[in-house]
Amino acid sequence: AQTVTQSQPEMSVQEAETVTLSCTYDTSENNYYLFWYKQPPSRQMILVIRQEAYKQQNATENRFSVNFQKAAKSFSLKISDSQLGDTAMYFCAFASSTGGANSKLTFGKGITLSVRP
Amino acid sequence: GAGVSQTPSNKVTEKGKYVELRCDPISGHTALYWYRQSLGQGPEFLIYFQGTGAADDSGLPNDRFFAVRPEGSVSTLKIQRTERGDSAVYLCASSLRADGRGETQYFGPGTRLLVL
Repeated sequence: AQTVTQSQPEMSVQEAETVTLSCTYDTSENNYYLFWYKQPPSRQMILVIRQEAYKQQNATENRFSVNFQKAAKSFSLKISDSQLGDTAMYFCAFASSTGGANSKLTFGKGITLSVRP
Repeated sequence: GAGVSQTPSNKVTEKGKYVELRCDPISGHTALYWYRQSLGQGPEFLIYFQGTGAADDSGLPNDRFFAVRPEGSVSTLKIQRTERGDSAVYLCASSLRADGRGETQYFGPGTRLLVL
């Protein structure tokens, strides 16, 4: 079974600065998918970024980028130029590619990010 | 276009009662997932539908929990004889298809269930 670990329960960053959220995972598979989801107080989970394990290039989406270290099983999220609207819980998630069509997600416990004005 | 919707947004019930939680996925999405999120935790997988059939129900905690998707669109999660430990936010997600390639899941706002 896969596990996802987010060891930092909460972080705080000044508006316009850069913050990195950590995530490690454990799996015996060689190919899989990793995600970062954002959950604001409204509860709606929103996909931030997605990484395919067989791609060496780190995924980037505007101000969001990842540092994917496959050997270390590490998948951190960097948020540049932090904005007040980035305040939310962030979840790291894993999806297997060997479970057939089932792409169920395994989530970490999440990290609460607060952006200070 | 419309996203995933869930009703009700909040549900308060008494221990031992029966509840139904509804999920309307994005139109055309064939895959549908239910997750449960307890306070301070990440969502945990409950059940996955491909079309009308439950392809994986390994996450359902016990036989009090049941879900259906009779026409391959709307899904209902049913909880019998509710217990206080069932209190959580129940999230529904859908994806265009499920092909084992990390298809993006789109989440609804969830139903917060409180069992008194």
